[in-house]
Amino acid sequence: GESVGLHLPTLSVQEGDNSIINCAYSNSASDYFIWYKQESGKGPQFIIDIRSNMDKRQGQRVTVLLNKTVKHLSLQIAATQPGDSAVYFCAEFTGTASKLTFGTGTRLQVTL
Amino acid sequence: EAQVTQNPRYLITVTGKKLTVTCSQNMNHEYMSWYRQDPGLGLRQIYYSMNVEVTDKGDVPEGYKVSRKEKRNFPLILESPSPNQTSLYFCASSLTPGLAGGDTQYFGPGTRLTVL
Repeated sequence: GESVGLHLPTLSVQEGDNSIINCAYSNSASDYFIWYKQESGKGPQFIIDIRSNMDKRQGQRVTVLLNKTVKHLSLQIAATQPGDSAVYFCAEFTGTASKLTFGTGTRLQVTL
Repeated sequence: EAQVTQNPRYLITVTGKKLTVTCSQNMNHEYMSWYRQDPGLGLRQIYYSMNVEVTDKGDVPEGYKVSRKEKRNFPLILESPSPNQTSLYFCASSLTPGLAGGDTQYFGPGTRLTVL
């Protein structure tokens, strides 16, 4: 598969533990935030999103937290599994510009 | 199956030789977009299209062209490729540009382009 980046920060987590991936965003006017998962050789895949008027949203095994005061977004993955190994990107969407801006990504490695 | 397809998946070419990367979606999406992905830089938008015959520049449009003659297709054209266009390219589509009401962008599998 294709490598998406050689210089990504890497988070190494043991199988079964919880993972927390962090992201700082830049535009305080962004009104929508998305986490994507990118496996080797594939395009980014939607995981979960959150609107700027929320501070927490939960999905299946994943939770996104939004702190607008410090412009910080995090993705929590519960009971991390080997299949969670991938690169994770946050993206911020600014409605006035109809623009989606991506972060540089974090590589999650799940060890057995 | 709802999907975005790109062709070719891999391409090695030489400087100056015109090429086209095709993108097609079967979801009747209005909004389509091209990104390039480079190490340490994440995904950067090249061009986008709000609908048929409506295209606009993204963050890094230099050296690229696009067209949107049909709703389902959004080809990326490199008239005279250069080595700095060596990258991984993704096409994406969504129902609306505003990603409203739970809409999201669907990405193609990527095209690895090498320009020698």
